[in-house]
Amino acid sequence: DGGITQSPKYLFRKEGQNVTLSCEQNLNHDAMYWYRQDPGQGLRLIYYSQIVNDFQKGDIAEGYSVSREKKESFPLTVTSAQKNPTAFYLCASSRATGWQQPQHFGDGTRLSIL
Amino acid sequence: DQQVKQNSPSLSVQEGRISILNCDYTNSMFDYFLWYKKYPAEGPTFLISISSIKDKNEDGRFTVFLNKSAKHLSLHIVPSQPGDSAVYFCAASPGTYKYIFGTGTRLKVLA
Repeated sequence: DGGITQSPKYLFRKEGQNVTLSCEQNLNHDAMYWYRQDPGQGLRLIYYSQIVNDFQKGDIAEGYSVSREKKESFPLTVTSAQKNPTAFYLCASSRATGWQQPQHFGDGTRLSIL
Repeated sequence: DQQVKQNSPSLSVQEGRISILNCDYTNSMFDYFLWYKKYPAEGPTFLISISSIKDKNEDGRFTVFLNKSAKHLSLHIVPSQPGDSAVYFCAASPGTYKYIFGTGTRLKVLA
């Protein structure tokens, strides 16, 4: 059964810590994305990747880092430089970037600060 | 500066009636529009999309209408069912990687 798996579902971070959110897809999609959702706001793009070993900053990349060493995996690290990390994080994938391809989403990771 | 706006944060509709969710956009470069449905603690699920070369796209109970001159998009659900109760996001793309999402409308279908 193809899909996108995000883990963990809930994550807690202490001040000054880096944490990594996992995203794995078995849809054979080329492109992967990370979004952040805050209450009352739409989804905002953090990073995206069109192909393995390549990724680009989105609108709110500061304080985050990513890697794309495998097609099926796109982990997101929330660094201590991200001053307001508490949010719901969503990973998505699509067949290709851009032209008329819907994105498919995982079920998200909720990150909270202790 | 919000390029995609969903001005109604919530909507209640009786079961069996039509639900109409609205979305306005400001960027005339957008050429692909999508609607997603989201349940609590889950990721959004793709519902239906429309290209800017069309003004209507239908899929079962869901129809999306696009009015390019008004820069307005709407989603019609007929008939509405209790299982349709969720948050609905519209999104738009200028034909690149970037999808701009609205803030969502919470639909409640009353039995």
